Amino acid sequence: QVQLVESGGGVVQPGRSLRLSCAASGFTFTIYGIHWVRQAPGKGLEWVAVIWYDGSYKYYADSVKGRISISRDDSKNTVYLQMNSLRAEDTAVYFCVRDTYKLDYWGQGTLATVSS
Amino acid sequence: QSALTQPPSASGSPGQSVTISCTGTSSDVGGYNYVSWYQQNPGKAPKLMIYEVSKRPSGVPDRFSGSKSGNTASLTVSGLQAEDEADYYCSSHAGSNNFEVLFGGGTKLTVL
Repeated sequence: QVQLVESGGGVVQPGRSLRLSCAASGFTFTIYGIHWVRQAPGKGLEWVAVIWYDGSYKYYADSVKGRISISRDDSKNTVYLQMNSLRAEDTAVYFCVRDTYKLDYWGQGTLATVSS
Repeated sequence: QSALTQPPSASGSPGQSVTISCTGTSSDVGGYNYVSWYQQNPGKAPKLMIYEVSKRPSGVPDRFSGSKSGNTASLTVSGLQAEDEADYYCSSHAGSNNFEVLFGGGTKLTVL
């Protein structure tokens, strides 16, 4: 069955970096785009970034542009989200999500907390 | 990248119907049929309920239906059940290649 498993969350100080991972299984990874979507505590969903199936397109929300980069390693069926210069407002549960012009499968999320 | 607009709350009694709106622009909701709806229960990941405006994934009850008129999409839940109480989010693919995603702010549906 389709599975997306996020990892890498934790507590980090403002200005530091964190790398999140999303391990995919149960489907042909190389033909799907993958998004990262985040949800701050008690708040709504916010789209963060997407990487297309072949890595040729990467798009970012304005709120994270220049601080976050998305990449994929097809040999490991894994998508990464490198987050730099972290701010308190980046505190959220980060979900990775499969795209087929609908966000059909979501991981369980990983919590990143930015705090001194 | 402006968010889509949803009412913060909606409610209905068991057996009634409730409709939740989602308003965007001609560059997102109105311009493409890539509108989706998600149900989220506390502490859980969102679940896809409607995609491409009105299509239901396998396993989603036919009590859930979607539609669109102009720049506004709608989710209707008919025959409300207690288990339908949750947060609901709309989304639209957007951008020049439809790779970006916009979300609504979410609607808390309460079954009275």
